[in-house]
Amino acid sequence: DSGVTQTPKHLITATGQRVTLRCSPRSGDLSVYWYQQSLDQGLQFLIQYYNGEERAKGNILERFSAQQFPDLHSELNLSSLELGDSALYFCASSAGQGTQETQYFGPGTRLLVL
Amino acid sequence: ILNVEQSPQSLHVQEGDSTNFTCSFPSSNFYALHWYRWETAKSPEALFVMTLNGDEKKKGRISATLNTKEGYSYLYIKGSQPEDSATYLCAFDNFNKFYFGSGTKLNVKP
Repeated sequence: DSGVTQTPKHLITATGQRVTLRCSPRSGDLSVYWYQQSLDQGLQFLIQYYNGEERAKGNILERFSAQQFPDLHSELNLSSLELGDSALYFCASSAGQGTQETQYFGPGTRLLVL
Repeated sequence: ILNVEQSPQSLHVQEGDSTNFTCSFPSSNFYALHWYRWETAKSPEALFVMTLNGDEKKKGRISATLNTKEGYSYLYIKGSQPEDSATYLCAFDNFNKFYFGSGTKLNVKP
């Protein structure tokens, strides 16, 4: 158990809908990262937040957004969902700003868009 | 998009064999190279974060080396055990942007 929690574990929704994935980092960690693992692509970095501020952006679609709250939990919002958004979404956390730090992954949220 | 390549894609070894695999990455704008162990139905587990050219790190029977000038890292497993069966992922850390290889899937037969 990494200490990172993600809810829900599974989510089934329809195209065009909007969903919110939640992540709570390990106690004391200030950075949260979001990743997407889809069938046809490997693990893709989406975005990083550090202490409430966006720190780095990867291959995140404009339909997706994230934020980190004062209690350091983070939410990833996915809107206008398409079939291709079906994937496993991981969050990870690290103690500081990120580069060169160990990241601890949560168990993931599996999203299925029908 | 940066290209991070891992080889081989998969590996089947007998218990007790030693094995190694490669992660190749761009040699410019290097900040760190991360290795993860990813078991089926679980989430990636960090093995090493390597930052300096010539770095060598070890955790039990698993070790890794880093060559940032030529853009590669090796992961070694000595005396493989069935519980080592997993996918081993590397990630190139380009100053807070992370680019993952597709992994090497290791299967250790008892």
